[in-house]
Amino acid sequence: ILNVEQSPQSLHVQEGDSTNFTCSFPSSNFYALHWYRWETAKSPEALFVMTLNGDEKKKGRISATLNTKEGYSYLYIKGSQPEDSATYLCAKGPSTGFQKLVFGTGTRLLVSP
Amino acid sequence: EAGVAQSPRYKIIEKRQSVAFWCNPISGHATLYWYQQILGQGPKLLIQFQNNGVVDDSQLPKDRFSAERLKGVDSTLKIQPAKLEDSAVYLCASSISGGATDTQYFGPGTRLTVL
Repeated sequence: ILNVEQSPQSLHVQEGDSTNFTCSFPSSNFYALHWYRWETAKSPEALFVMTLNGDEKKKGRISATLNTKEGYSYLYIKGSQPEDSATYLCAKGPSTGFQKLVFGTGTRLLVSP
Repeated sequence: EAGVAQSPRYKIIEKRQSVAFWCNPISGHATLYWYQQILGQGPKLLIQFQNNGVVDDSQLPKDRFSAERLKGVDSTLKIQPAKLEDSAVYLCASSISGGATDTQYFGPGTRLTVL
């Protein structure tokens, strides 16, 4: 994998469903992985910064895991709510120097009541 | 704590015209970023400032784009002349020091449409 890739591109679930997305990235020269949530007409909001292989972070109903050896991260949302509707972006940070994030194209989530 | 401010929120111009965007980062943040997000793509870094110096502008189309950060605080991004392919959301972000694990705080973006 040369770039940061996210799947699926979009997802439509019903309120109460649990869901997950994948972020794949080059495993070489890994330092940090960032997850952001971007609601329409609002500012992208930071969710997690992950650095360690096997790391797991949680924020309310949202959690994320990281596998740096194989180059992927999963984002889980438990019991999706309409307010979770947003685009979820992941970004890989460099191993040296100043931060320069390379973003994936995002997963657009729509949660219907 | 006030967030990152950007203006304008929306701008429609014709090709070959000029446009400028303004960003005011979070107070005390040394690092400021400008991103371009074209529909269907992830945000792409155009330029990164550390205080008032440029640390990365490798993806900035320098024949038409310019940016400055006077006094290490506010920043402006200018496009002159604009092309159709410049239609995008322009995001400004700031972080405390630009470290690899620093959180970047984003503004709401400026949606540019070039006709």
